[in-house]
Amino acid sequence: NAGVTQTPKFRVLKTGQSMTLLCAQDMNHEYMYWYRQDPGMGLRLIHYSVGEGTTAKGEVPDGYNVSRLKKQNFLLGLESAAPSQTSVYFCASSYPSLRDRDPRSGQYFGPGTRLTVT
Amino acid sequence: RKEVEQDPGPFNVPEGATVAFNCTYSNSASQSFFWYRQDCRKEPKLLMSVYSSGNEDGRFTAQLNRASQYISLLIRDSKLSDSATYLCVVNSRWNQGGKLIFGQGTELSVKP
Repeated sequence: NAGVTQTPKFRVLKTGQSMTLLCAQDMNHEYMYWYRQDPGMGLRLIHYSVGEGTTAKGEVPDGYNVSRLKKQNFLLGLESAAPSQTSVYFCASSYPSLRDRDPRSGQYFGPGTRLTVT
Repeated sequence: RKEVEQDPGPFNVPEGATVAFNCTYSNSASQSFFWYRQDCRKEPKLLMSVYSSGNEDGRFTAQLNRASQYISLLIRDSKLSDSATYLCVVNSRWNQGGKLIFGQGTELSVKP
């Protein structure tokens, strides 16, 4: 199994350009997530999905859109990139249950996409 | 106040030392708890879940105190390969998407 994969690994955009980040998982996980990580800020949830065709806003959704047309894929779009969106973006996936002592607990992360907006 | 708080460190320890990380969370309704490890410029990886009764995995021991809203991670006999940032993670609403809240992380550097 490849686990969680992300493309691209690196990207440089100019202000105002658009792009889509692709996340794919082969673990048959129901839930998928997009985070951004900035120095001193920790990981912050952008959007998430609890199943195919459904998405929801996280902590910092402004400036981003997402789609989950297939269970295994979760796309993150930037319609008009801004320098404040320079960050490392991580995708993650998980099973629905995060109960205490559930051995399937936990989120599994992709390797990240390093995005610079100039 | 941040929802999950950790001492940012860095903790610089010699090989073989025992080191403890602490974490507090503000939401008393939190249901599940984890420690993740993140190496420099890599993705976070699940280290261990934290159970109510405490749990151990080799050299790693995790404890949870719900009354004090406090989580700890103890690493015994530190190895050079333990050098990383350790993230305390809390989930408050497990039945609504399993949204996790991450602490900022505690950096550990194990020296020879």
